[in-house]
Amino acid sequence: AQSVSQHNHHVILSEAASLELGCNYSYGGTVNLFWYVQYPGQHLQLLLKYFSGDPLVKGIKGFEAEFIKSKFSFNLRKPSVQWSDTAEYFCAVKKAGGSYIPTFGRGTSLIVHP
Amino acid sequence: DAGVIQSPRHEVTEMGQEVTLRCKPISGHNSLFWYRQTMMRGLELLIYFNNNVPIDDSGMPEDRFSAKMPNASFSTLKIQPSEPRDSAVYFCASTTGTGDQPQHFGDGTRLSIL
Repeated sequence: AQSVSQHNHHVILSEAASLELGCNYSYGGTVNLFWYVQYPGQHLQLLLKYFSGDPLVKGIKGFEAEFIKSKFSFNLRKPSVQWSDTAEYFCAVKKAGGSYIPTFGRGTSLIVHP
Repeated sequence: DAGVIQSPRHEVTEMGQEVTLRCKPISGHNSLFWYRQTMMRGLELLIYFNNNVPIDDSGMPEDRFSAKMPNASFSTLKIQPSEPRDSAVYFCASTTGTGDQPQHFGDGTRLSIL
């Protein structure tokens, strides 16, 4: 069974700092990869996704993620965070194609101080 | 696009009572998921329906939990009898089920069992 590991459970940054959240998965086949964001008191929203093609994916709000197949990683990055980026971030992985169920990581709580 | 609609948004009840959570998926989506989110366990998949049929209910914690999807536009998650440890945020999500689409989440139901 596939699994997803998010190494950072809690991250605290100051505004304008750079962000990188780690995500590793365990599955040797072709995968679809997602990052979701959950703002305080809200539901999960899709931030970006990777299915194929350019391994560097651009998402909303200045976020990007890079798929490195050899490392089974899909790390999320943002060059300069804002206070409004305070949220919980979830990485999810599913087998490509078919009606497979995505596996979610435990999430990383990001707090950005103004 | 009305999004995934869940009700109620908040539920507070005493232990032993029956609790029913409701979900209306996005029209045209044929896959529906129920998740439970807690601080301790993160986001857990409880059950997954495809074309109104339960495909994977291995995440349902106990017989006290049951889920139904009588038609393509409605699903319920029932807990009977409820216990304090069931307190959590319950999310419903839907997708087209083609395998390449992300899930769309509802706003969740915050359940507190006293």
